[in-house]
Amino acid sequence: DARVTQTPRHKVTEMGQEVTMRCQPILGHNTVFWYRQTMMQGLELLAYFRNRAPLDDSGMPKDRFSAEMPDATLATLKIQPSEPRDSAVYFCASGLVMWTVFNQPQHFGDGTRLSIL
Amino acid sequence: KQEVTQIPAALSVPEGENLVLNCSFTDSAIYNLQWFRQDPGKGLTSLLLIQSSQREQTSGRLNASLDKSSGRSTLYIAASQPGDSATYLCAVIRSGGSNYKLTFGKGTLLTVNP
Repeated sequence: DARVTQTPRHKVTEMGQEVTMRCQPILGHNTVFWYRQTMMQGLELLAYFRNRAPLDDSGMPKDRFSAEMPDATLATLKIQPSEPRDSAVYFCASGLVMWTVFNQPQHFGDGTRLSIL
Repeated sequence: KQEVTQIPAALSVPEGENLVLNCSFTDSAIYNLQWFRQDPGKGLTSLLLIQSSQREQTSGRLNASLDKSSGRSTLYIAASQPGDSATYLCAVIRSGGSNYKLTFGKGTLLTVNP
């Protein structure tokens, strides 16, 4: 059963450190989404890519966050420098989009639980 | 700004009961609406997607309805089972040209007791 794989599953680090989260989308999927989930804000869309090109990253704080897809099998989300308010669960999802984004099911990974001390 | 509200925040029912989860949204100019379930410590699982032109979608024991004019969607679960216990989230997608705005509700935590 094909799955989206996220690494690491848990990350604890100190404020100011660089954090890199990785996502392996389902083979053949052409669209990757990054989400953040907190108790206070709920689930928020940070950015999404189609065919490795960023389509929208307006949900992402630009000064410290960056998202890339070095190749079709790897998406990364980086935070530099990290702050305590970045503590959250970060989810990656992938999908096969034929025409318009958000018109097909997304397949989620199990997330990276990030704690910034 | 789109606001999405899910009521109730938590629901506990005995096994076998039919139940309804509610999702309301403030801006009726939506592209589509999606229902997901989330199990503890896991990512979301897509359940149903309703296009703005549709009134309902069905998958097995699940039925989702959409009333754009009143800003409401309901998820109906028939003959509930303990395996249905999870948090159910609705997401409203709004289209603005080539950009999309996705807004999630905070979810309803469902517990089905054997």
